[in-house]
Amino acid sequence: KAGVTQTPRYLIKTRGQQVTLSCSPISGHRSVSWYQQTPGQGLQFLFEYFSETQRNKGNFPGRFSGRQFSNSRSEMNVSTLELGDSALYLCASSLGGQMDTSTDTQYFGPGTRLTVL
Amino acid sequence: AQKVTQAQTEISVVEKEDVTLDCVYETRDTTYYLFWYKQPPSGELVFLIRRNSFDEQNEISGRYSWNFQKSTSSFNFTITASQVVDSAVYFCALSEERNFNKFYFGSGTKLNVKP
Repeated sequence: KAGVTQTPRYLIKTRGQQVTLSCSPISGHRSVSWYQQTPGQGLQFLFEYFSETQRNKGNFPGRFSGRQFSNSRSEMNVSTLELGDSALYLCASSLGGQMDTSTDTQYFGPGTRLTVL
Repeated sequence: AQKVTQAQTEISVVEKEDVTLDCVYETRDTTYYLFWYKQPPSGELVFLIRRNSFDEQNEISGRYSWNFQKSTSSFNFTITASQVVDSAVYFCALSEERNFNKFYFGSGTKLNVKP
């Protein structure tokens, strides 16, 4: 099975711009979660999508948004970029069903490294 | 409140030494899950193991072993006979039954294995 893929791998933007990151989950996985990793804050949960609906949300401003398509692929959007948004953005997928929690696991993609200048 | 603490920021060992990475967690839930991930320089988080709160059995997989102790809220990871390829950042994570995919990560332990 192919793993989680993320595009693009690297991105350079300037302050005020917006950016869209893409994530394709493992085949058969219906849950996609997004995490931000920075040297100062570590790994922080952004949000989770399951069956095209946001199921969970972390403590990030409204500039961070996402969506999920019917094929479970997900996109994350950051509007009005700030310098502090520079980070590695990781996407993870899992089966996601409520009956799967005793055996389910999140598998991560290689990440998109966003640099805001 | 949920919290994962990895007090060891960085550890350096010489190849073939044994090393233990510590993980202490906090949660009020009675059903929760613990994970270890490895992050090599490439950036991808590689899944190593998961443990359910209701299963305190320790596990060994090759040179890796995990010690889960609910009494001390710890889930420690030991690498026996370390190798240079083990050099990476290791993360411990916690999730809870009601929000399974919302992982709380520790700050990570950077392991340097020198030849």
